[in-house]
Amino acid sequence: QKEVEQNSGPLSVPEGAIASLNCTYSDRGSQSFFWYRQYSGKSPELIMFIYSNGDKEDGRFTAQLNKASQYVSLLIRDSQPSDSATYLCAVNQAAGGTSYGKLTFGQGTILTVHP
Amino acid sequence: GAVVSQHPSRVICKSGTSVKIECRSLDFQATTMFWYRQFPKQSLMLMATSNEGSKATYEQGVEKDKFLINHASLTLSTLTVTSAHPEDSSFYICSARLVGTDTQYFGPGTRLTVL
Repeated sequence: QKEVEQNSGPLSVPEGAIASLNCTYSDRGSQSFFWYRQYSGKSPELIMFIYSNGDKEDGRFTAQLNKASQYVSLLIRDSQPSDSATYLCAVNQAAGGTSYGKLTFGQGTILTVHP
Repeated sequence: GAVVSQHPSRVICKSGTSVKIECRSLDFQATTMFWYRQFPKQSLMLMATSNEGSKATYEQGVEKDKFLINHASLTLSTLTVTSAHPEDSSFYICSARLVGTDTQYFGPGTRLTVL
């Protein structure tokens, strides 16, 4: 069973702080990793993807990947109340298998940024 | 870029009727689209993978005769919920994978209520 695990939270941070969201995955052959944001009642919105070990920065967001430890994280700097949402970690299945191309989602972490 | 639309956004129907949901990639071609279902306070559950010009691949436990999928072109996939029942009430979301990448972009979702 291929799994993606996230702390469901809720994670509460003050406005302006750094929010740190973590995700672990079980399939060592996974190649691609995604972070989506989902507001209540809406569909997921892509924030970032990362393929290689290390950090990838995009504005206030930084994705970090460590394949050896099988974890991926998302840092949100200068958190704003509008960042309050559920953050979904998604992992692509390993290439070459019958499940290639499908994403496995974690349960999501609820983030609340309070003024 | 990478915009996906869904229609209708909301539908209410009587038990026993069929409902068709359309998913379109507006500014890119998608040989593969995915259909998800999400119940309140739960994560996304993949229902099926829709491949242009071929039969859809259904996840375990999803009835292919109840959830009919057609992917007639590189920009359109449809999901038909046949003989809908109240337990089929859910948030149905499609995604389209950008050709040549692993990245999925989600449509806005369709909220189905079966009375």
